[in-house]
Amino acid sequence: DGGITQSPKYLFRKEGQNVTLSCEQNLNHDAMYWYRQDPGQGLRLIYYSQIVNDFQKGDIAEGYSVSREKKESFPLTVTSAQKNPTAFYLCASRDGNSPLHFGNGTRLTVT
Amino acid sequence: GQQVMQIPQYQHVQEGEDFTTYCNSSTTLSNIQWYKQRPGGHPVFLIQLVKSGEVKKQKRLTFQFGEAKKNSSLHITATQTTDVGTYFCAGWSSGSARQLTFGSGTQLTVLP
Repeated sequence: DGGITQSPKYLFRKEGQNVTLSCEQNLNHDAMYWYRQDPGQGLRLIYYSQIVNDFQKGDIAEGYSVSREKKESFPLTVTSAQKNPTAFYLCASRDGNSPLHFGNGTRLTVT
Repeated sequence: GQQVMQIPQYQHVQEGEDFTTYCNSSTTLSNIQWYKQRPGGHPVFLIQLVKSGEVKKQKRLTFQFGEAKKNSSLHITATQTTDVGTYFCAGWSSGSARQLTFGSGTQLTVLP
């Protein structure tokens, strides 16, 4: 089955540590996205990539970094510079003008 | 930048009652999409509206896109417990096709 895989589902880290969230898709989609969701709020765009080796900042990119070395993979690193990293992180992809397909998300807790 | 407002933030209804959520954009939208997120889950695409004044139906769900393409609504008739979740609208601005801006969502609770 085609889809988007995010791992792990739950992630715990100590404050001051960088952490990388995985996102893999086998849908052959060109565009991939990272969103952050806080309780009771909508989705805010962190970074997106329209094509391999290219990515753009979204609305809340500070404290995050990404790479897009392969079409299937779009990992997100939450750095120690992110002031409030505890959140639910959603990866998505799409093909052309199709709707977004989301992964199951990673719930990150930083203490 | 583009802003998409959605109201209400929360809605509790008795099973069988109707439900409506409203979405308003600060800019004209090229199209609008609706997603549903079940508790603990991820957003799942429901529908896309493209044309001014467009109305689409999916069983008990009715979606509308405003004449000015700046607002939209989702109406559920005779809610069921399976309708529980958060409903998000998301709009692509007319000037850019690369960023989808999400509304803050309406969390629907259906009481049996």
